[in-house]
Amino acid sequence: GESVGLHLPTLSVQEGDNSIINCAYSNSASDYFIWYKQESGKGPQFIIDIRSNMDKRQGQRVTVLLNKTVKHLSLQIAATQPGDSAVYFCAEIPHFSGGYNKLIFGAGTRLAVHP
Amino acid sequence: GAVVSQHPSRVICKSGTSVKIECRSLDFQATTMFWYRQFPKKSLMLMATSNEGSKATYEQGVEKDKFLINHASLTLSTLTVTSAHPEDSSFYICSARQGANTGELFFGEGSRLTVL
Repeated sequence: GESVGLHLPTLSVQEGDNSIINCAYSNSASDYFIWYKQESGKGPQFIIDIRSNMDKRQGQRVTVLLNKTVKHLSLQIAATQPGDSAVYFCAEIPHFSGGYNKLIFGAGTRLAVHP
Repeated sequence: GAVVSQHPSRVICKSGTSVKIECRSLDFQATTMFWYRQFPKKSLMLMATSNEGSKATYEQGVEKDKFLINHASLTLSTLTVTSAHPEDSSFYICSARQGANTGELFFGEGSRLTVL
């Protein structure tokens, strides 16, 4: 469900290092997951998605891992750059079936990249 | 990628007035659009699902009479905050889905509402 009550945790990394952002999702019936990046004052941007029949999916410099057993999702960013600094949200869609169901956002993590 | 535009990006209003925020899909048609609210340093909270040609579906706890949603065409949805109060100050974000077989949503840039 929606995240309330907590301020965003922050992950600080050095430029060039790899970043791993974690997310625990709430609904065991969710079968489609998306990672979004949100820069200050802007709307979320799609990064990568994964369906529940997969454990791993790779994009350009990003990899998403899905562990359904413990309801855990992670986003790995290789060779992190200053432009990667933003807030990252995981989102889940329960019972995705090719039509649309509502998107539920996780709590979010702020990624701060230092030179 | 598809473009979703919101207007205005920032609005300041007096308490008691109503404010309308527009969400447009610029290069695609969207039968369904979604409205989210985001408080500072918090996650996005789904407020309602806007359906073209029919009534919006509101999430639990969201006041229908307070947040009026109209999906007048396949490219436009509007959110009207009625009789705004300072606690309605927030970042409002819309999104629209492109395509019939993908869950990918495209988000607008958001509208920051400040109620004095």
